[in-house]
Amino acid sequence: DAKTTQPPSMDCAEGRAANLPCNHSTISGNEYVYWYRQIHSQGPQYIIHGLKNNETNEMASLIITEDRKSSTLILPHATLRDTAVYYCIVRVSGSGNTGKLIFGQGTTLQVKP
Amino acid sequence: DTGVSQDPRHKITKRGQNVTFRCDPISEHNRLYWYRQTLGQGPEFLTYFQNEAQLEKSRLLSDRFSAERPKGSFSTLEIQRTEQGDSAMYLCTPLEDRFFGPGTRLTVL
Repeated sequence: DAKTTQPPSMDCAEGRAANLPCNHSTISGNEYVYWYRQIHSQGPQYIIHGLKNNETNEMASLIITEDRKSSTLILPHATLRDTAVYYCIVRVSGSGNTGKLIFGQGTTLQVKP
Repeated sequence: DTGVSQDPRHKITKRGQNVTFRCDPISEHNRLYWYRQTLGQGPEFLTYFQNEAQLEKSRLLSDRFSAERPKGSFSTLEIQRTEQGDSAMYLCTPLEDRFFGPGTRLTVL
């Protein structure tokens, strides 16, 4: 079973920041938070991941609470092409682990003009 | 370009037929994963390879399914005696690159 909870859908105005929440209250100390997105009819696309520190890359920022029980993915300036299903996943990394991703239902983000 | 190719991209078959899909990561990876995705659902883990060894199989992988990775590079997924419930998108990824392939969409009539 997925270990994360996300709202099923969200809307965002084009050009505004999209803030996608995720709850992972049972996360273990060695589990990372990963975000993927899936645009219709394509394979999932990696966005960002983190363990406990906030992370930023060219696509997004990831804010993880101090207790690590929740996180927020931030798309700073959403465009219409960011319309997709966004998946928040907790995953054990490193050798000796399968490292598989367990996807939940995700959040469908609709960016509107 | 995701760095992973899958073939075929689409497959339509009749119930009871056998089908085989192929996954080719462009660069070498120790790990390879197969997932299945049905309409409206997130991808579901099917199986995992570390080099040639198949180290984990989901309970979703019935005895009609078999996967191989003979040389630790490309992988094949075969479904025997297909059923309509097998209709789905089949995805593969080495995960280390964080890319998924474009998937093979299977339709069983």
